[in-house]
Amino acid sequence: DTEVTQTPKHLVMGMTNKKSLKCEQHMGHRAMYWYKQKAKKPPELMFVYSYEKLSINESVPSRFSPECPNSSLLNLHLHALQPEDSALYLCASSQEAIPYTEAFFGQGTRLTVV
Amino acid sequence: GESVGLHLPTLSVQEGDNSIINCAYSNSASDYFIWYKQESGKGPQFIIDIRSNMDKRQGQRVTVLLNKTVKHLSLQIAATQPGDSAVYFCAENMGDNYGQNFVFGPGTRLSVLP
Repeated sequence: DTEVTQTPKHLVMGMTNKKSLKCEQHMGHRAMYWYKQKAKKPPELMFVYSYEKLSINESVPSRFSPECPNSSLLNLHLHALQPEDSALYLCASSQEAIPYTEAFFGQGTRLTVV
Repeated sequence: GESVGLHLPTLSVQEGDNSIINCAYSNSASDYFIWYKQESGKGPQFIIDIRSNMDKRQGQRVTVLLNKTVKHLSLQIAATQPGDSAVYFCAENMGDNYGQNFVFGPGTRLSVLP
């Protein structure tokens, strides 16, 4: 199994809503990532979890709140988002938090904030 | 040919021809690089990687060349096929935080003409 599974595939939410994005991998990877990708732009790193601990937060606004309940799961909790937060949110995982290891990406959640 | 403008740079090639996609990276300390392919509506997919102690690496139909002197990376695709049509990103690893921090280049859209 070399898959990173993200749910939901599409999400439309209002600016006052609270929602969560979910990511799951069963490859035994110990590093998991959230990226944000706007249309026609490259993915931008948001958060990295290493061994279930937050190791990188790229100055992401607090309306995005990551959570890593266990080594296979990664959530991104969303609250009071803005329309400009509409984007493709990508989850990725890699074998360990060491150099020279590729990241495997999920298919993403297409988020629209209205 | 290749065009760069307000939109994603696009490279158009005839089916069966070889493609060369270029990428300039920013950090001379980066020591690991990956090429990803992203098809419409999907997450990035690993193609090939290279470490900074190498200048060339070959895979199946793909070759990555690294020129550290000018901080340039290229991806060569032999006998380009319609299924190769996608956006291609180079990603550099900044060599810090145990290799978790990948920075993606702007991307190039490859369009394969019949």
